[in-house]
Amino acid sequence: GENVEQHPSTLSVQEGDSAVIKCTYSDSASNYFPWYKQELGKGPQLIIDIRSNVGEKKDQRIAVTLNKTAKHFSLHITETQPEDSAVYFCAPSRNNDMRFGAGTRLTVKP
Amino acid sequence: EPEVTQTPSHQVTQMGQEVILRCVPISNHLYFYWYRQILGQKVEFLVSFYNNEISEKSEIFDDQFSVERPDGSNFTLKIRSTKLEDSAMYFCASRDEQGTEAFFGQGTRLTVV
Repeated sequence: GENVEQHPSTLSVQEGDSAVIKCTYSDSASNYFPWYKQELGKGPQLIIDIRSNVGEKKDQRIAVTLNKTAKHFSLHITETQPEDSAVYFCAPSRNNDMRFGAGTRLTVKP
Repeated sequence: EPEVTQTPSHQVTQMGQEVILRCVPISNHLYFYWYRQILGQKVEFLVSFYNNEISEKSEIFDDQFSVERPDGSNFTLKIRSTKLEDSAMYFCASRDEQGTEAFFGQGTRLTVV
């Protein structure tokens, strides 16, 4: 099955700084690469995703970059705000399964 | 906005008892999932379900677990004989096709005592 690793496990930044979280996966057949945000007491919610035929996607302050050769994709958050504080999960998938990374706890200090 | 709903929000059960966790996926979705999250840990895949059958399951999803879509709207997870280590948050998710956004419910917190 898919082996998914996320780094770092915790990340603390000052408000306004950028944050980058990296996800490495093992299954070269993975073709869908989402990032989910989980706030305390809630279920994960998709914030951005990318498919295997695209190298980069941006949505306002959030971007995802994909390197299929190296089998990793990264979440980039610019101009971080306190409300970005949460746990972020990558979940690379192929077909019908979706395995989550261990999560990165992002803390944005005002 | 359509959402995935889960009931109950919190269930306390005695070890060895059977529990059924209920989910109502978004109505036009075809793919259904159960995940669990032990407090403070990662979201672990349990099972995916499509076309009225299990399509993938993890090593966690042993004979004590089963899933069912009994009436075309509900999607249930049954744990036959609960163990202390089954205590976790259980999330249901659904999506309309592979490779698209999965929508998660708010979860059921299962506490086995």
